[in-house]
Amino acid sequence: GESVGLHLPTLSVQEGDNSIINCAYSNSASDYFIWYKQESGKGPQFIIDIRSNMDKRQGQRVTVLLNKTVKHLSLQIAATQPGDSAVYFCAESPGQGGKLIFGQGTELSVKP
Amino acid sequence: EPEVTQTPSHQVTQMGQEVILRCVPISNHLYFYWYRQILGQKVEFLVSFYNNEISEKSEIFDDQFSVERPDGSNFTLKIRSTKLEDSAMYFCASSDDVGQGVGGYTFGSGTRLTVV
Repeated sequence: GESVGLHLPTLSVQEGDNSIINCAYSNSASDYFIWYKQESGKGPQFIIDIRSNMDKRQGQRVTVLLNKTVKHLSLQIAATQPGDSAVYFCAESPGQGGKLIFGQGTELSVKP
Repeated sequence: EPEVTQTPSHQVTQMGQEVILRCVPISNHLYFYWYRQILGQKVEFLVSFYNNEISEKSEIFDDQFSVERPDGSNFTLKIRSTKLEDSAMYFCASSDDVGQGVGGYTFGSGTRLTVV
């Protein structure tokens, strides 16, 4: 069936270190992937996205890597800051204008 | 930056009562969605809405749920007879015709529904 899952439920890093959050997906038809950040009591906030015709995409301090061969997605955060502490979800989209399938979420905790 | 707004932020209701959760999507968006998130769990898709009709719904979205776009700006989720297990955070989202990129698929801040 369709599922998007995360390898690590919690991740604790020191301020200034790089963080890597991983995600596995199972729907080969998905052609678009998004990473969301969710702070307590708030809705998912867009971080970065990637289409299936790309392997890597960089934003400000964040990089998303897509490995379609093993159906794996990762989010790299450079120089992690306390404000990065949140739950991070990957989501996949099987098609345009359609639903998103979310993963379980990884809680990132940044120690000062 | 345009926002999706949801009201109320918190709703407490008695089991068996009807609730209506309200959302104002981004004005130029064409697709509208409801998701829910039970405390500590992942965000789950409920329903998508396009061109004044439901385009897709999940198994969660049973006969107790309905959606409506009563005017040009609001998008509502109604639960006819709430159950304890309906307690969750409900997120409205909207997307443009591409549905990608910053602002392409945007979530509201959610309504926390507590059924007692």
